[in-house]
Amino acid sequence: DTGVSQDPRHKITKRGQNVTFRCDPISEHNRLYWYRQTLGQGPEFLTYFQNEAQLEKSRLLSDRFSAERPKGSFSTLEIQRTEQGDSAMYLCASSLVTGFRTEAFFGQGTRLTVV
Amino acid sequence: DQQVKQNSPSLSVQEGRISILNCDYTNSMFDYFLWYKKYPAEGPTFLISISSIKDKNEDGRFTVFLNKSAKHLSLHIVPSQPGDSAVYFCADNFNKFYFGSGTKLNVKP
Repeated sequence: DTGVSQDPRHKITKRGQNVTFRCDPISEHNRLYWYRQTLGQGPEFLTYFQNEAQLEKSRLLSDRFSAERPKGSFSTLEIQRTEQGDSAMYLCASSLVTGFRTEAFFGQGTRLTVV
Repeated sequence: DQQVKQNSPSLSVQEGRISILNCDYTNSMFDYFLWYKKYPAEGPTFLISISSIKDKNEDGRFTVFLNKSAKHLSLHIVPSQPGDSAVYFCADNFNKFYFGSGTKLNVKP
């Protein structure tokens, strides 16, 4: 399977704990995105990378959230001191940007539940 | 500031009929639009896209129309099938992707 892979698929954590999610994009894709989705809403932008550089981070993202993409390959999203409001589906997507607009391919998502 | 809006949260159609899903956008700089389909507990799947140099793009049963003067796009599904039942998101690609809130389509057998 050469699609976008996310791990874990589900995570239940206690409030105040730290969690880390991993995303493996499609190998030749240079851009990687993180989104968050809650019930009844569309995917909400969190951050994106062009290769290893983090180009933009949502203003809505608190300092408890951090993302990395070392060597421009896989990416991790860490949430520190989780809160119940962090419960959501976290989606990773990747695309190949060559100067022309193109679609992004999404992973299956990581469902986070903070109890 | 919602850049892309889907004002109909749900739509129900009979199998074999046409489904029309609508989307409005606010930023005139937007020039590449996409539709995604999402099943529960899965990530969104790309369906069809359109560039602003066109006003129509077809792919099988799916056609997307773009009206730049009205800042409006629509997705037509003809004929609709029960397997099309899902949540549909319109999106724009301008560096990142802006998504609407989605329309839940139910195709009744």
